Amino acid sequence: AQSVAQPEDQVNVAEGNPLTVKCTYSVSGNPYLFWYVQYPNRGLQFLLKYITGDNLVKGSYGFEAEFNKSQTSFHLKKPSALVSDSALYFCAVRDGLGYSSASKIIFGSGTRLSIRP
Amino acid sequence: NAGVTQTPKFQVLKTGQSMTLQCAQDMNHEYMSWYRQDPGMGLRLIHYSVGAGITDQGEVPNGYNVSRSTTEDFPLRLLSAAPSQTSVYFCASSTRESSYNSPLHFGNGTRLTVT
Repeated sequence: AQSVAQPEDQVNVAEGNPLTVKCTYSVSGNPYLFWYVQYPNRGLQFLLKYITGDNLVKGSYGFEAEFNKSQTSFHLKKPSALVSDSALYFCAVRDGLGYSSASKIIFGSGTRLSIRP
Repeated sequence: NAGVTQTPKFQVLKTGQSMTLQCAQDMNHEYMSWYRQDPGMGLRLIHYSVGAGITDQGEVPNGYNVSRSTTEDFPLRLLSAAPSQTSVYFCASSTRESSYNSPLHFGNGTRLTVT
């Protein structure tokens, strides 16, 4: 069964500094990895997804994610943080082993990102 | 462009009552799913469906039923509400792509309180 871990409940960064939100995963087949963002009282919004062969994936709002197969990680990054990036971030994985199990998309516990001015 | 619509936005139930959370999407998405979000636990998958007439259990299916009679609708039924089902419920949908990397589109959630 697939699983996702986000080891940090909260990440605090000063505006203008680089940020990293960590995610590690476990799957049986090929990993299909995603990052989502949630603003208060809203549903989740898609940020970016892993595409096979691209170790650095670029997404919305200047975010990017680094895929590392040997470390089974998919960390979210941004070179220069903005106060408006403050939100709850979720990593998710979809196991690519067969259609039925591939349809299960499992989320991590979430990381609250706080950017101080 | 409505996307994924969830109703109601808020609901208070007494223990033992039943109710149905509605979810509808207008994007002709084959895949639909229900999650619950609890503090510190992220989103946990309750049930999902890969097309009309097909449903399957997720991580936490107990106490919930689903059916998928049409592509557009995926209602979630609470048979006998319990305080442990107090949560925020999200419905999500996506297209069925052969590469399996289609992102989910989420509704704005239903906040359920069971007293």
